[in-house]
Amino acid sequence: DTEVTQTPKHLVMGMTNKKSLKCEQHMGHRAMYWYKQKAKKPPELMFVYSYEKLSINESVPSRFSPECPNSSLLNLHLHALQPEDSALYLCASSQVRGGITDTQYFGPGTRLTVL
Amino acid sequence: AQSVAQPEDQVNVAEGNPLTVKCTYSVSGNPYLFWYVQYPNRGLQFLLKYITGDNLVKGSYGFEAEFNKSQTSFHLKKPSALVSDSALYFCASYNFNKFYFGSGTKLNVKP
Repeated sequence: DTEVTQTPKHLVMGMTNKKSLKCEQHMGHRAMYWYKQKAKKPPELMFVYSYEKLSINESVPSRFSPECPNSSLLNLHLHALQPEDSALYLCASSQVRGGITDTQYFGPGTRLTVL
Repeated sequence: AQSVAQPEDQVNVAEGNPLTVKCTYSVSGNPYLFWYVQYPNRGLQFLLKYITGDNLVKGSYGFEAEFNKSQTSFHLKKPSALVSDSALYFCASYNFNKFYFGSGTKLNVKP
């Protein structure tokens, strides 16, 4: 099973709202990722968690706040977003072997629209 | 610096014909290379990867890729294209816990 699930599938929010995106995997992967993807563009890395610790933050604005409650779950908390933050948000996970991460498996994404 | 390049924004091919989607890489050390496919409004699906070993890598859905060290290329191929192969394809390299994606190539397979 190589499934990564994400909820919700679609989210519309105002600039003053607070919302959260959720990601779950049960493959025993110890690395999890958040990406942002604009239409017809490659995914842009936002955050990497390795063994539940934040290992990479790609200078993402503080209105995006990641959280990794346990090895299977990854959240992205959203607050005071801007319309330009509208995008497809992808979660991914991968195994870690000998300190090297293996193939990333992606969820279906959350389509976020900020009004 | 790590990077992958996909020189074609779009590739058009007739159903039943062979297809090639091009990728070149620039990485330090041994390259870890991947191909992913993305259908509209969906996440990326893993197709295949090259880590080491045989230069011809076979993957999902009949796709294969050839690693060429002298040309620093990792082109994706399929002997006979299907209309359902129409999608956005990304080449990626991996190093230091990060994936570096190419710009993507839109594959159009016409009946």
